[in-house]
Amino acid sequence: AQSVTQPDIHITVSEGASLELRCNYSYGATPYLFWYVQSPGQGLQLLLKYFSGDTLVQGIKGFEAEFKRSQSSFNLRKPSVHWSDAAEYFCAVGAPNFNKFYFGSGTKLNVKP
Amino acid sequence: GAVVSQHPSRVICKSGTSVKIECRSLDFQATTMFWYRQFPKQSLMLMATSNEGSKATYEQGVEKDKFLINHASLTLSTLTVTSAHPEDSSFYICSANLRLAGVLDTQYFGPGTRLTVL
Repeated sequence: AQSVTQPDIHITVSEGASLELRCNYSYGATPYLFWYVQSPGQGLQLLLKYFSGDTLVQGIKGFEAEFKRSQSSFNLRKPSVHWSDAAEYFCAVGAPNFNKFYFGSGTKLNVKP
Repeated sequence: GAVVSQHPSRVICKSGTSVKIECRSLDFQATTMFWYRQFPKQSLMLMATSNEGSKATYEQGVEKDKFLINHASLTLSTLTVTSAHPEDSSFYICSANLRLAGVLDTQYFGPGTRLTVL
């Protein structure tokens, strides 16, 4: 069965510190992987995506993610967090025809000044 | 990037009334749109897939007679919550698949609609 696991419900980091948000997936075929960010009361904004090719993908706002097939992971990273990065982050797996998206439960990021 | 809009952003209604939420793809055509529901501090739950010119496909457990979906054009899908009750209060988000040169690119999300049923 398809599923996405984000093991960390809440994460707090200091501004300027590095960040890694974990995402593990279970999917029967080649996954299409996404990271979205949601600010309170807002919709989801696409940060980055992976379909194929280079396993390290760059996204907006200085984020990057690395696809590791052997670990079924697609962790999101940022070298230096800004206070404006405080939000909820969702990892998602999409079926190849995009008719199904499976979302993780989300990780809420707090940023300390 | 591609833009998906929703209207209204917030709506408050009385129990028993119906509410219509619009989802529009502003700068691209979307043959497929999706409707999600999000409870507080939870992830998104897919309710249904809206297909232009045909009936929507509902996920298991979603009442099709309560959540009416119409995808009348390539840029507009509507969700009508009929005979709304307080338990229908939630955050409803739509999304649309963007194709570039016929190839699926990604799924873009609207800003969401907060429905409160009194």
